[in-house]
Amino acid sequence: DGGITQSPKYLFRKEGQNVTLSCEQNLNHDAMYWYRQDPGQGLRLIYYSQIVNDFQKGDIAEGYSVSREKKESFPLTVTSAQKNPTAFYLCASSIGVGPYEQYFGPGTRLTVT
Amino acid sequence: GNSVTQMEGPVTLSEEAFLTINCTYTATGYPSLFWYVQYPGEGLQLLLKATKADDKGSNKGFEATYRKETTSFHLEKGSVQVSDSAVYFCALSPRGHNAGNMLTFGGGTRLMVKP
Repeated sequence: DGGITQSPKYLFRKEGQNVTLSCEQNLNHDAMYWYRQDPGQGLRLIYYSQIVNDFQKGDIAEGYSVSREKKESFPLTVTSAQKNPTAFYLCASSIGVGPYEQYFGPGTRLTVT
Repeated sequence: GNSVTQMEGPVTLSEEAFLTINCTYTATGYPSLFWYVQYPGEGLQLLLKATKADDKGSNKGFEATYRKETTSFHLEKGSVQVSDSAVYFCALSPRGHNAGNMLTFGGGTRLMVKP
């Protein structure tokens, strides 16, 4: 079955530690995205990548970093510079540039204490 | 810039009631429009979409019509079920050269259906 996987589903970290969230897709999609969702709020775009080895900042990129070394993978690192890292993180992909729908993974809930 | 405005929730309905969730948008040109649904603790799933004016998207009893004249894409369902309880997001994707395909989301509307 084609789809997007995110792991782990729940992640706990101490303040001051970097943490990397995994996102893998087998849909052969060129574009991938990371969103942050806070309780009762909509989605905010962190980073996106339209092709391998290229990525762009979204609306709230500060304190986050990404890489896109393979088409299938787009990991997100939440660094210690992110002031409020506790949130629900969603990864998505789409076929490419254009008005296409995005397909979402199940999300990772990160709690930093 | 692009923006999407949804009615604030929560919307609480009894089973078999009629549902409307309002969505209006601001965008240049003619974007594609989407409704996504998020069940508790899960990611978003595409519910329906429309790519041009007067198109009607439909799925699982839900419908929405792309109204260019009112820049709206309201979600409707004739008879809701308890299993429809979720958060619903309206979104748009711009068109045009170099428009990219970044979705702009509304803030989401929580629907609660009581038996």
